[in-house]
Amino acid sequence: AQTVTQSQPEMSVQEAETVTLSCTYDTSESNYYLFWYKQPPSRQMILVIRQEAYKQQNATENRFSVNFQKAAKSFSLKISDSQLGDTAMYFCAFMIRNTGNQFYFGTGTSLTVIP
Amino acid sequence: NAGVTQTPKFQVLKTGQSMTLQCAQDMNHEYMSWYRQDPGMGLRLIHYSVGAGITDQGEVPNGYNVSRSTTEDFPLRLLSAAPSQTSVYFCASSPPDRGTEAFFGQGTRLTVV
Repeated sequence: AQTVTQSQPEMSVQEAETVTLSCTYDTSESNYYLFWYKQPPSRQMILVIRQEAYKQQNATENRFSVNFQKAAKSFSLKISDSQLGDTAMYFCAFMIRNTGNQFYFGTGTSLTVIP
Repeated sequence: NAGVTQTPKFQVLKTGQSMTLQCAQDMNHEYMSWYRQDPGMGLRLIHYSVGAGITDQGEVPNGYNVSRSTTEDFPLRLLSAAPSQTSVYFCASSPPDRGTEAFFGQGTRLTVV
């Protein structure tokens, strides 16, 4: 079975500060991809960052970066210089390399950026 | 560029009624899928399709049917609505290149009373 665990239901951060969201996963597969999605109050699912599991280098996307520890099955998201627009629910997900692009999601972390 | 379009955005059903949630994408993506989002449970896969005429079950398929007659459309049918199907439903599409992100619709909030 594939599982994704986000152990922080809610977090808050001061504007301009840095925050790290945690994610662990469990799979017996060796070829997979990891994602962080953002869901603002509009409900739209927005891709934040993607990591290919066979790449050792951590992905970065502007103020967003990940710490990918494959052996520990850990995939945390770091948001630098937090902005009010970062307030949202964040979902960690992974997708196994097979047909269908099936995604497995965590339960989410609600992040609030405080002005 | 419309992307993934879901209709309706909101719906209230009575227990036992049937309905179809519509999903259409204009990106010529082969892969499409349906998820439901419940509080504290993230998104869970209901059904998915790898191309026209091909569908398969996901994690929580009971009470739902799908079909894929065209590349563009992937409707989700509730056969006999139950209060346990109250949820937010998301349709997603992606090209078959492995590792590509899923593109999501805006979601349908369904309430079964």
